[in-house]
Amino acid sequence: GIQVEQSPPDLILQEGANSTLRCNFSDSVNNLQWFHQNPWGQLINLFYIPSGTKQNGRLSATTVATERYSLLYISSSQTTDSGVYFCAVLLTGGGNKLTFGTGTQLKVEL
Amino acid sequence: SAVISQKPSRDICQRGTSLTIQCQVDSQVTMMFWYRQQPGQSLTLIATANQGSEATYESGFVIDKFPISRPNLTFSTLTVSNMSPEDSSIYLCSVDFIGGIDEQFFGPGTRLTVL
Repeated sequence: GIQVEQSPPDLILQEGANSTLRCNFSDSVNNLQWFHQNPWGQLINLFYIPSGTKQNGRLSATTVATERYSLLYISSSQTTDSGVYFCAVLLTGGGNKLTFGTGTQLKVEL
Repeated sequence: SAVISQKPSRDICQRGTSLTIQCQVDSQVTMMFWYRQQPGQSLTLIATANQGSEATYESGFVIDKFPISRPNLTFSTLTVSNMSPEDSSIYLCSVDFIGGIDEQFFGPGTRLTVL
């Protein structure tokens, strides 16, 4: 099946720093989503981004489908950005089933 | 925006018992899914809940262990049967809204601990 790998697995930042999270996938996809899982376990939708670039406040994302990767940029990080970031992909011809990546655990310190 | 709710939000259960988790959406959806997240792990799809017919299970998950119902377009239940400590996980439902793109949204999750 499709492999979805995220890097780095863990990241510690000082408040105000910038970071880039990466998601690599091994097969052609129809859809890619980025989620933030907060410390209470809730999954928050960040981006629906099968291709191209989108921005939402301090966050932006870019997906290059032909090269099978996506990037999530966090600028001017805040302690509330802490949690786990997941990418998830919808396989081409795979119905509506999302396959989740391995996740990046982010901790933002004062 | 639509609201997805799950009940219970958390529970502590004894081994050998069963727990039924409910997922309710306040607008009609096309697809409903159930995921499991074991401690420290990513999310894994258990099954697709089909309205009016049997759920479609992923490899490694069976109906006897995880029976699922979906009686209408806004409600589904997942039962975790004959529980063991290995079933301790967060269970999440997700939905795909009618008329929208294929973006999925998740309920708040049910945190299950089995003793």
